[in-house]
Amino acid sequence: GQQLNQSPQSMFIQEGEDVSMNCTSSSIFNTWLWYKQDPGEGPVLLIALYKAGELTSNGRLTAQFGITRKDSFLNISASIPSDVGIYFCAGLFIFSGGYNKLIFGAGTRLAVHP
Amino acid sequence: DTEVTQTPKHLVMGMTNKKSLKCEQHMGHRAMYWYKQKAKKPPELMFVYSYEKLSINESVPSRFSPECPNSSLLNLHLHALQPEDSALYLCASSPRDWGNQPQHFGDGTRLSIL
Repeated sequence: GQQLNQSPQSMFIQEGEDVSMNCTSSSIFNTWLWYKQDPGEGPVLLIALYKAGELTSNGRLTAQFGITRKDSFLNISASIPSDVGIYFCAGLFIFSGGYNKLIFGAGTRLAVHP
Repeated sequence: DTEVTQTPKHLVMGMTNKKSLKCEQHMGHRAMYWYKQKAKKPPELMFVYSYEKLSINESVPSRFSPECPNSSLLNLHLHALQPEDSALYLCASSPRDWGNQPQHFGDGTRLSIL
């Protein structure tokens, strides 16, 4: 089945540092999504990527859809304390019948030290 | 603020109780989803409704019974649950369950089974 390998599993950084995390798969995905989940809340969509090679920014966040369609990365620049949370990559896999299924990575837990 | 609203936010129930979780969205989305999320894990898909009809059941035990009364509402009826069913239950919606549209999540119901 489709699986995503997300790394790193966790990061502990100083405020102001840049952060990078990525997801890889042996399967091809049509859409890559990055979500952030804070404690006690649901995942919030940060960035959606629809085309191989696409590079998209959302404020201090930048994400890219890998050219092979099997990977994606997320960068956070100049981290701040509110960046703390769990970041999930997710690939949208489209089956032959046309319906889709969201496949999640295991998540990257980010802690920011002031 | 999430556009997918889930109630209640917390629920504690005994193994013999019957309760229901509710989810509502007013974005005009025609696909709605139930996910189960255990601590420190990504969400796991349980059910998919497309145009108010059940399209995917990920082999979920019958003690979980979904219902979609109309295009804006999704319920999850619970009966005779087990302690291992304690988890965060997330509802999500997307314009359709095909194509490349992202899913948007509610904040979840934290369920504890005594």
